[in-house]
Amino acid sequence: KNEVEQSPQNLTAQEGEFITINCSYSVGISALHWLQQHPGGGIVSLFMLSSGKKKHGRLIATINIQEKHSSLHITASHPRDSAVYICAVTFLTSGSRLTFGEGTQLTVNP
Amino acid sequence: KAGVTQTPRYLIKTRGQQVTLSCSPISGHRSVSWYQQTPGQGLQFLFEYFSETQRNKGNFPGRFSGRQFSNSRSEMNVSTLELGDSALYLCASSNHWGAGGTYEQYFGPGTRLTVT
Repeated sequence: KNEVEQSPQNLTAQEGEFITINCSYSVGISALHWLQQHPGGGIVSLFMLSSGKKKHGRLIATINIQEKHSSLHITASHPRDSAVYICAVTFLTSGSRLTFGEGTQLTVNP
Repeated sequence: KAGVTQTPRYLIKTRGQQVTLSCSPISGHRSVSWYQQTPGQGLQFLFEYFSETQRNKGNFPGRFSGRQFSNSRSEMNVSTLELGDSALYLCASSNHWGAGGTYEQYFGPGTRLTVT
């Protein structure tokens, strides 16, 4: 079965802390996406990865294809980073269809 | 470049009615995907259209249908609404489709449907 699991489901941090959100998946993928969703519903694509590591500002995403695992890191977290972070993958057998993890609710307190 | 737009943003319907939601992709994008988001099931794929043809379909009943027009705008329709259809419906556009699935998708703001 094609599945995506994220952890933790909820995460509370103090401003400035280093944050890690994890994502694992069951079978081979063609790409993994990290998405951010703010209250109100809008979703923003943060990264799309098929190998290695990507960095954008304070955000870093890594993927280990052999271990079927990805991590999203936020350095020097800020209250404006508070949002739901969602891992989504396109499985090799599913074309461009996205399968989503349950999401991680991140709250960063000042 | 204007982003993905969805109309209406909010909608309240009664059980048994039908509803049509609209999605206009980013200019030049020819692929549109639809997703349903509920508190219980999270985000789930509904269907994907490219060049006016449905290319992929999720596990939803036949009450859920869609189409894409020659200008790439897409509509989805839900007939005989049920309470469980209350959800945020999101569409996303991409300038590619096909094997590999390594194309970034750009999401619209969503339509929040409430069925009473």
